[in-house]
Amino acid sequence: AQSVTQPDIHITVSEGASLELRCNYSYGATPYLFWYVQSPGQGLQLLLKYFSGDTLVQGIKGFEAEFKRSQSSFNLRKPSVHWSDAAEYFCAVVGTRSGGSYIPTFGRGTSLIVHP
Amino acid sequence: GAGVSQTPSNKVTEKGKYVELRCDPISGHTALYWYRQSLGQGPEFLIYFQGTGAADDSGLPNDRFFAVRPEGSVSTLKIQRTERGDSAVYLCASSASLTSGGGTDTQYFGPGTRLTVL
Repeated sequence: AQSVTQPDIHITVSEGASLELRCNYSYGATPYLFWYVQSPGQGLQLLLKYFSGDTLVQGIKGFEAEFKRSQSSFNLRKPSVHWSDAAEYFCAVVGTRSGGSYIPTFGRGTSLIVHP
Repeated sequence: GAGVSQTPSNKVTEKGKYVELRCDPISGHTALYWYRQSLGQGPEFLIYFQGTGAADDSGLPNDRFFAVRPEGSVSTLKIQRTERGDSAVYLCASSASLTSGGGTDTQYFGPGTRLTVL
């Protein structure tokens, strides 16, 4: 079974600073990996996804993530954080479930706090 | 509407009561997913529909939970004999299901229904 670890429950950064959110996954085969963002009162929104090919993936809102197979990681980065980026961020891995379908398994999330 | 909608946005009930949570997916999306998100946790899969049928219900925690999608669009999650441990945000997502088996397609999430069982 697949699993995702987001080791940081909270991350605090200053506006304009760079950001890296960590994600480690466990899955026996080539993973499909996702990052979602959840703002208060909003549904989860897909930021980016990795299926294959270039290991550096560009997403929306200026985010990018890099897949590193050797480290089983898929860390999310942004060079300059804006106050509106304050939200909950979830990493997810897709692998086969016992029911036979491909369903995302989510990490517990990292809460991003942005200081002015 | 343009996105996935869920009603009600909040539901407070008493232990032992029956509740229904509704999800309206994006028009034309054949795949629909239900997740449960407890406080401080990520979404946890419950059930996945492909059209009218439940393609994977392996995430339903017990037989008190049931979901239907009779016409392949709107879905209802039903919880019988609610328990305090059922308190959570219930999320619905839909996708165009461009690939078989679900999951790798982009899922569009609704805002969720916050269920509180007193």
